[in-house]
Amino acid sequence: DTEVTQTPKHLVMGMTNKKSLKCEQHMGHRAMYWYKQKAKKPPELMFVYSYEKLSINESVPSRFSPECPNSSLLNLHLHALQPEDSALYLCASSQAWDSNYGYTFGSGTRLTVV
Amino acid sequence: GQQVMQIPQYQHVQEGEDFTTYCNSSTTLSNIQWYKQRPGGHPVFLIQLVKSGEVKKQKRLTFQFGEAKKNSSLHITATQTTDVGTYFCAGPKGAQKLVFGQGTKLTINP
Repeated sequence: DTEVTQTPKHLVMGMTNKKSLKCEQHMGHRAMYWYKQKAKKPPELMFVYSYEKLSINESVPSRFSPECPNSSLLNLHLHALQPEDSALYLCASSQAWDSNYGYTFGSGTRLTVV
Repeated sequence: GQQVMQIPQYQHVQEGEDFTTYCNSSTTLSNIQWYKQRPGGHPVFLIQLVKSGEVKKQKRLTFQFGEAKKNSSLHITATQTTDVGTYFCAGPKGAQKLVFGQGTKLTINP
């Protein structure tokens, strides 16, 4: 299995809702990432998990809460989001934590906050 | 600020023409990676360059890493409609961060 699977593919949520994005990989990769991508912009790093521990938080607002239950799973819990948080949320994984390995991206969750 | 600068932002070519996108960094990079994102899709890893002056080829795609390891290019020979998409370079920022260039969006007139 050489894929990163993200669910759901699309999500519409209200500003008072709580939702979660899920990401799964079975490649034995030890680093996992959340990126946010706005239209016509490059992916922007949010969080880095290395060996299931949060190693980087790029000053992301607390309404985004990541979780890594095990080495194959990565979640992103969403609460009280703003319309400007609407974007494509990409999960990625790589063999190890350092940036010397190519990333495998999931197909993303297209989030709309209304 | 942005680690790597990428130009041009957009490129429109006729099918069969060549295409090149350039990536520049103000600091020496330990490596540079290239990704392709099709319209409506997600970034797909193409290649990583590590050595000074390295040149790698994948069919019609040629990737170069500059001698000073501060710049890189991706050249596509004789573009095809399947080459449409946005091409990103990405370089490391610190030990664990990969920062993407702004991307070059390639459109092709068949």
